Amino acid sequence: QKEVEQNSGPLSVPEGAIASLNCTYSDRVSQSFFWYRQYSGKSPELIMSIYSNGDKEDGRFTAQLNKASQYVSLLIRDSQPSDSATYLCAASSGSARQLTFGSGTQLTVLP
Amino acid sequence: DVKVTQSSRYLVKRTGEKVFLECVQDMDHENMFWYRQDPGLGLRLIYFSYDVKMKEKGDIPEGYSVSREKKERFSLILESASTNQTSMYLCASTTPYNEQFFGPGTRLTVL
Repeated sequence: QKEVEQNSGPLSVPEGAIASLNCTYSDRVSQSFFWYRQYSGKSPELIMSIYSNGDKEDGRFTAQLNKASQYVSLLIRDSQPSDSATYLCAASSGSARQLTFGSGTQLTVLP
Repeated sequence: DVKVTQSSRYLVKRTGEKVFLECVQDMDHENMFWYRQDPGLGLRLIYFSYDVKMKEKGDIPEGYSVSREKKERFSLILESASTNQTSMYLCASTTPYNEQFFGPGTRLTVL
């Protein structure tokens, strides 16, 4: 069974620091990886997609993928209190239409 | 921008009632999904559909059914609502790159 594991946290960082969120997956055929942000009481919002090894940057967000080690991470630079949310990692294989979600990491950015 | 809408944000029903939750997407996506999300249990897949009139069971289909008569519309049906179906229900549709976009969610309370 495919699994996606995340540190449940909570993770607290001071405003302006780098927040680092990590995710490991068990299925070697997973090819696509996604990070979602979910504010309390709201639905998940896609913030990053990554499909190949290496880094992908989008503004203050950087996703890192290492398929050999089966992990994917999300770095948030210059963290802001508005980044406080639960971050969900998800993976899919090329043939599957579904995503497997991790349980999420709760991030708090302290002013 | 992808837009996924759900028929209600909040819904209160009585035990035994038949409940319809509707989801509409405007991006001509083939794949659509229904999840429920409960504290401590994460996102759980109920059903998904990869084409009109096609459906597949997810991880927790018991007590639910679905209907997809048109490509843009995917309905979740609770045949006889029970209190343990009180939850946040989330609909999503997927791009060809497996990026899932979620609707705003329906918070259902069954009394």
